[in-house]
Amino acid sequence: DQQVKQNSPSLSVQEGRISILNCDYTNSMFDYFLWYKKYPAEGPTFLISISSIKDKNEDGRFTVFLNKSAKHLSLHIVPSQPGDSAVYFCAALRLQGGSEKLVFGKGTKLTVNP
Amino acid sequence: GAGVSQSPRYKVAKRGQDVALRCDPISGHVSLFWYQQALGQGPEFLTYFQNEAQLDKSGLPSDRFFAERPEGSVSTLKIQRTQQEDSAVYLCASSRGPIQGAGGYTFGSGTRLTVV
Repeated sequence: DQQVKQNSPSLSVQEGRISILNCDYTNSMFDYFLWYKKYPAEGPTFLISISSIKDKNEDGRFTVFLNKSAKHLSLHIVPSQPGDSAVYFCAALRLQGGSEKLVFGKGTKLTVNP
Repeated sequence: GAGVSQSPRYKVAKRGQDVALRCDPISGHVSLFWYQQALGQGPEFLTYFQNEAQLDKSGLPSDRFFAERPEGSVSTLKIQRTQQEDSAVYLCASSRGPIQGAGGYTFGSGTRLTVV
């Protein structure tokens, strides 16, 4: 039972255009949602997050939108740059009973073409 | 240290062999996590420490998996009698303290375990 789903395994965009990465979740009890970026042979690197009580968070070129009624979030990258090419993981954080667990999606591989 | 350090980077084990994977968290980080990432999947939670206390081990897949953090800093993940399904990248993450919420987790580069 996958609680966090990234239905697009890959996405290709042109440099300068917008990249939109999508994520769906099933558990309404998550407290935060996070996006991580991962290059080959490296660990995930934190990009941006959003609290479950917010609907938008922006940090430079990155914006995350949360639609709680649809249990859907998206990451917008504007403008996209070739250095953004990586695998992007959506993760949901549950704080419960003294523990903290990140639940990850399977990832979306973004390729930004020059 | 500047980041989370994991060793070894790569480990090949024969089926049935015991392995030990090491994680050096960022100095002063109270919370430490282990995740398992199989090929083509996202990382999956294994266990969580706050200082030396293992507060959550609900993600450990079997009793062959054991984690410890005896002095509240370095942690070791041990896998006994390895099986082929244990082949994965094992990621360690740390954070300053409990309930860092968003963004407080720093991941290491992982140990890639291959069981042959």
